[in-house]
Amino acid sequence: GENVEQHPSTLSVQEGDSAVIKCTYSDSASNYFPWYKQELGKGPQLIIDIRSNVGEKKDQRIAVTLNKTAKHFSLHITETQPEDSAVYFCAASGDDYKLSFGAGTTVTVRA
Amino acid sequence: NAGVTQTPKFQVLKTGQSMTLQCAQDMNHEYMSWYRQDPGMGLRLIHYSVGAGITDQGEVPNGYNVSRSTTEDFPLRLLSAAPSQTSVYFCASRHPPGTAGRAEAFFGQGTRLTVV
Repeated sequence: GENVEQHPSTLSVQEGDSAVIKCTYSDSASNYFPWYKQELGKGPQLIIDIRSNVGEKKDQRIAVTLNKTAKHFSLHITETQPEDSAVYFCAASGDDYKLSFGAGTTVTVRA
Repeated sequence: NAGVTQTPKFQVLKTGQSMTLQCAQDMNHEYMSWYRQDPGMGLRLIHYSVGAGITDQGEVPNGYNVSRSTTEDFPLRLLSAAPSQTSVYFCASRHPPGTAGRAEAFFGQGTRLTVV
């Protein structure tokens, strides 16, 4: 099955700086790569996703890049704000239903 | 829309007890699934369903049963609770893969289960 690895497990950044989270996947058949944000006591919520036919996608301060050859994808958050503090999960799936998740990154934005 | 609703939010069980975690969605999603979240391990798939009457096992199915009698509901049953099942459980729903522009999985708020 698919194996998704995520790094780092914790990330502390100064407000206004950028944050980068990296994930690798093992199954070359995976073609959908979402990123979820989980706030304390809540369920994960999709913040951005990318399909395998696209190399980069941006939504305001958030961007995702995908390198299919190397089987890795990254989340970039620019101009971080205190409300960006949360746990972030990457995931991968193919043409079936199953989403395989990374272990998560706890992001802390220092004021 | 309520989205994905899970009940209860918190539960404490004694070893050997059984219980059912409820999940309901009002988005007419065909696909529903159950995950468990443990520290440092992300979310792991327990069981999933691609439509009413169809269920299948995920990565960690042992000790859990599911059924899907309607599109809206996907209950998760713990047959004989064990301390190893202490976790936070999330239900999710989505449209089938390939549905144009509608791949997002929606999650419930979670059920925090403690087995003592």
